[in-house]
Amino acid sequence: EPEVTQTPSHQVTQMGQEVILRCVPISNHLYFYWYRQILGQKVEFLVSFYNNEISEKSEIFDDQFSVERPDGSNFTLKIRSTKLEDSAMYFCASSEIRGGGDGYTFGSGTRLTVV
Amino acid sequence: DAKTTQPTSMDCAEGRAANLPCNHSTISGNEYVYWYRQIHSQGPQYIIHGLKNNETNEMASLIITEDRKSSTLILPHATLRDTAVYYCIVRVVLRGGGADGLTFGKGTHLIIQP
Repeated sequence: EPEVTQTPSHQVTQMGQEVILRCVPISNHLYFYWYRQILGQKVEFLVSFYNNEISEKSEIFDDQFSVERPDGSNFTLKIRSTKLEDSAMYFCASSEIRGGGDGYTFGSGTRLTVV
Repeated sequence: DAKTTQPTSMDCAEGRAANLPCNHSTISGNEYVYWYRQIHSQGPQYIIHGLKNNETNEMASLIITEDRKSSTLILPHATLRDTAVYYCIVRVVLRGGGADGLTFGKGTHLIIQP
C-alpha cells in the first residue's frame, strides 16, 4: 500500500535554529498538507499546498513557517527560528482529491524537540 | 464544519464488535461524516466516510441515522491493534474537493481488552 514517508523520525534542535522537515507524498497525489500535534493535545492543521503554492493556512502558520516542493517528489516544512513551543509531532499528508474527499494519507510523523 | 461530540473513552473485548458513537446534531445537508483513528504516536489513519447511506469497507462500517444527527462506527471484530483514538469529523466536501484543513477534536480513546 502506498505510503507517505517522513524524515527524520526525530529531530532535536536548539532554540533559534532553522529546521527542515521532509516528506515524500504518494506519487500520484497532487495535494499536500502539514499538521502538528503538541504532546497531549489535538492534531492541528497548518497548511495545504497545491500546484506549487499554498492554498490554505491556519493561524499557526505564521512567517516563521514556509513550505516548498523543491523537486518532483519532496515536500518540505521549514521553521526559520525555532521556539520551545514548536516542539511537537509534525505530520505530512497527501490526497488525490483536494480536501481529502476520499481521505488523506498521513505519514508517521517527525518528532521535533526544541531545547 | 459542524461540531461533533464523542465519548472520551470506551472499552471493548477483543473479538467483539466495537461500536463508537458520534453526535453531530448541527450537521448540514452537504456535510459528510469522516472517521479517522490515531494509534499511539503515529499519524492519523483514514477509516471511512459517508453522507447519508450506510457505508462499509475492509476496515469498518459506518451507520448514519436517518436524520443524520448521529452516527456509529463499527469495528466488527476488534483486535488489540485497534486500540487507538478515533476521531469523528464532519465537513463539507465540495465538487472538486473540500476545504483543506481537517479539524480534529479530542476523539474517543478505544481500548481493546484481551
